[in-house]
Amino acid sequence: GENVEQHPSTLSVQEGDSAVIKCTYSDSASNYFPWYKQELGKRPQLIIDIRSNVGEKKDQRIAVTLNKTAKHFSLHITETQPEDSAVYFCAASISTGFQKLVFGTGTRLLVSP
Amino acid sequence: GAVVSQHPSWVICKSGTSVKIECRSLDFQATTMFWYRQFPKQSLMLMATSNEGSKATYEQGVEKDKFLINHASLTLSTLTVTSAHPEDSSFYICSARGDKNYNEQFFGPGTRLTVL
Repeated sequence: GENVEQHPSTLSVQEGDSAVIKCTYSDSASNYFPWYKQELGKRPQLIIDIRSNVGEKKDQRIAVTLNKTAKHFSLHITETQPEDSAVYFCAASISTGFQKLVFGTGTRLLVSP
Repeated sequence: GAVVSQHPSWVICKSGTSVKIECRSLDFQATTMFWYRQFPKQSLMLMATSNEGSKATYEQGVEKDKFLINHASLTLSTLTVTSAHPEDSSFYICSARGDKNYNEQFFGPGTRLTVL
């Protein structure tokens, strides 16, 4: 079935450094790729998303890139801050009538002051 | 806008009892709602998709007779965990999608279920 792989599972950086999280999807018809930030015990929060007709999207310190040919997409966080510490999930839409999302396994990001 | 609520936020029940969780879209009409389960330190796993007025579609491996889903209106979907057992203890999260953005899902705050 459809699968989304996410790496790394944990990522530790110093405040001010950049962080990159990578995902690979299997369904070539996927056309929507959101990224979520989840703090412990809370709901996933959408931080950025990208659609298949765009190669890159940026929102302040956060950017996402998409390579449809390779079926890769990545999250880039620049100038990281301690409050960026959380678990980040990528997801990809599935080409069914309901446009479901398949989630990656998550990356635990720790930003040290 | 696009606020989704869940009730209760947490529940503790005895093994063998049933628990109902409500998911409401507060400021939009949700044509589709999704129910996810998340075990500690794991990802969100889709359990089922529900559309208003029709039967839910369950993911492979999810028992439809154990996890009853009702999407009776455009703002309310319920998940009932029947005959709950300790292995059903998890974080249950719903999401809702409206008509304006076909892709984006808005998540509820989640319900932590503990079965003793």
